[in-house]
Amino acid sequence: GQSLEQPSEVTAVEGAIVQINCTYQTSGFYGLSWYQQHDGGAPTFLSYNGLDGLEETGRFSSFLSRSDSYGYLLLQELQMKDSASYFCAVSAGNMLTFGGGTRLMVKP
Amino acid sequence: DTAVSQTPKYLVTQMGNDKSIKCEQNLGHDTMYWYKQDSKKFLKIMFSYNNKELIINETVPNRFSPKSPDKAHLNLHINSLELGDSAVYFCASSLISGANVLTFGAGSRLTVL
Repeated sequence: GQSLEQPSEVTAVEGAIVQINCTYQTSGFYGLSWYQQHDGGAPTFLSYNGLDGLEETGRFSSFLSRSDSYGYLLLQELQMKDSASYFCAVSAGNMLTFGGGTRLMVKP
Repeated sequence: DTAVSQTPKYLVTQMGNDKSIKCEQNLGHDTMYWYKQDSKKFLKIMFSYNNKELIINETVPNRFSPKSPDKAHLNLHINSLELGDSAVYFCASSLISGANVLTFGAGSRLTVL
């Protein structure tokens, strides 16, 4: 099976940088994805890492180290609208398995 | 045009009742999923269909029966509802099976009293 660990909650101030870590245990690993979910909303895709290294998409970057079974999502220049839950997810076999989510609270 | 639409958005019902949730995607994707999100926001896959064929059934009680009449539709029927079934049910789709990019519907919040 698959298991993923990420912090349950992170708090940061507007304009700051925050890193959300994710460690995973899985067999048949293909890659690590990140999703954002606002309260009352649907999860939406943010980024994907299939290979080791950093992927950058605007203010968001995601990193993967396959040898360490570890990845992170980096959010820069935090804005109030970034307050949401962030989920890492592993692709293994035919499905995407999600971590428990990290609730990010951005304060003014 | 909503890419993945599911109805109803809210369902409130009594224990023991039967209910259905419908999902449709207009993205031309081959694969559709049902995920359950509990009160702690844990998102767990229930079923996956690829081109109308069931490919994932993740130890879900057989009170839950998915049906895919065509690759654009995936419905979920739940018999004999229990309190523990209260959750938000998300339908999702992807271009191919096992894809990393899923497009989710808005969710259907089921409350069992």
